[in-house]
Amino acid sequence: QVQLVQSGSELKKPGASVKVSCKASGYTFSNHALNWVRQAPGQGLEWMGCINTNTGIPTYAQGFTGRFVFSFDTSVSTAYLQISSLKADDTAVYYCTRDPILDYWGQGTLVTVSS
Amino acid sequence: SSELTQDPAVSVALGQTVRITCQGDSLRIYYASWYQQKSGQAPVLVMYDKNNRPSGIPDRFSGSISESTASLTITGAQAEDEADYYCNSRDSSGNRLVVFGGGTKLTVL
Repeated sequence: QVQLVQSGSELKKPGASVKVSCKASGYTFSNHALNWVRQAPGQGLEWMGCINTNTGIPTYAQGFTGRFVFSFDTSVSTAYLQISSLKADDTAVYYCTRDPILDYWGQGTLVTVSS
Repeated sequence: SSELTQDPAVSVALGQTVRITCQGDSLRIYYASWYQQKSGQAPVLVMYDKNNRPSGIPDRFSGSISESTASLTITGAQAEDEADYYCNSRDSSGNRLVVFGGGTKLTVL
């Protein structure tokens, strides 16, 4: 069965970096792009962008350029979201989800940015 | 336009029918998908490509589209249907960027 399993919660100080992982299983990793979605506390879902796991080409939504980097390692069927220069308003749950219809979701990773 | 608009909150009496709507220009081009999110949980896909239910989703859930408005209808709402519901689609710019609606909080009375 298809599963996306994300890394655990992170507590970071402002200015630090974080790398969230999303390990896929149950399907051919390179056949489906992976999307990243942010949900700030009490807020809705916000699409951050996606990465084509066949070509390696990332697409970033407006507002998620510069400090956000999508990557992956096909050998371990894992996608990564790295956020640098963390700010307090990066505090959110981050989800990975499979393209094209976002049919499978990871369990979410809470990233808390606090001094 | 890249926006999808949903009513912030909707309520329904137990066992009655409720329709949750999503409006946006991109829906004239792309189908909407619908996601259910219960408190503290990841979203779950409940409808895609206008009226297709993933395996395991009860048949009381159905979808429809009329011009620029997509609808998710729950016929005979159950207590366990109380959740936030989000629509999404692709941006109408042609770049196939994903866009989400703001979400609708469904309360089952």
